[in-house]
Amino acid sequence: ETGVTQTPRHLVMGMTNKKSLKCEQHLGHNAMYWYKQSAKKPLELMFVYNFKEQTENNSVPSRFSPECPNSSHLFLHLHTLQPEDSALYLCASSQETSGRMADTQYFGPGTRLTVL
Amino acid sequence: AQKITQTQPGMFVQEKEAVTLDCTYDTSDQSYGLFWYKQPSSGEMIFLIYQGSYDEQNATEGRYSLNFQKARKSANLVISASQLGDSAMYFCAMSNFGNEKLTFGTGTRLTIIP
Repeated sequence: ETGVTQTPRHLVMGMTNKKSLKCEQHLGHNAMYWYKQSAKKPLELMFVYNFKEQTENNSVPSRFSPECPNSSHLFLHLHTLQPEDSALYLCASSQETSGRMADTQYFGPGTRLTVL
Repeated sequence: AQKITQTQPGMFVQEKEAVTLDCTYDTSDQSYGLFWYKQPSSGEMIFLIYQGSYDEQNATEGRYSLNFQKARKSANLVISASQLGDSAMYFCAMSNFGNEKLTFGTGTRLTIIP
């Protein structure tokens, strides 16, 4: 496996279900991100992890719960979601360059989530 | 706060022609980077090209080049000799040095006509 992988690619869940999205990066990066992409809206940054520590929570509802057990894996745990949470969820990773340049983020293929 | 503006919601271009996708940005910072990503219908966001605010030369990557005009705060993407596989959404984005937050524009849907 190379790059950034995400599973599952598609997910349909009811509002009372609990599910998890998984992201794995094979690039040796130290930062990982979750983004939400809804129809006709710009990408929204949800969470940032740097060296496994959460450094950004962009006012995301608590029904989304991230977990970063190590710098290669990132999870997004979902529970009691709403239909408006249906979207494409993208994971990304980057290598921190200590402020010498802007860090390039590399994205996975995304999980297309539908909440019924 | 940073802002990215992409004023072309959609473009149709004949195959083999060059195409320019517009991007303007707004920031009060001096140290920043500009990115272009391609998103096919499959959903994956593919990194195309990067330009740093202190880079004196325009960035190029194969058929992609970034026309960076700092005084005008524009960072247009130029695709030379377009191909059918170039049909996709294209997003301009920016972030500051040392800051992980990437701000995206609303995108331009490019369709290449055979």
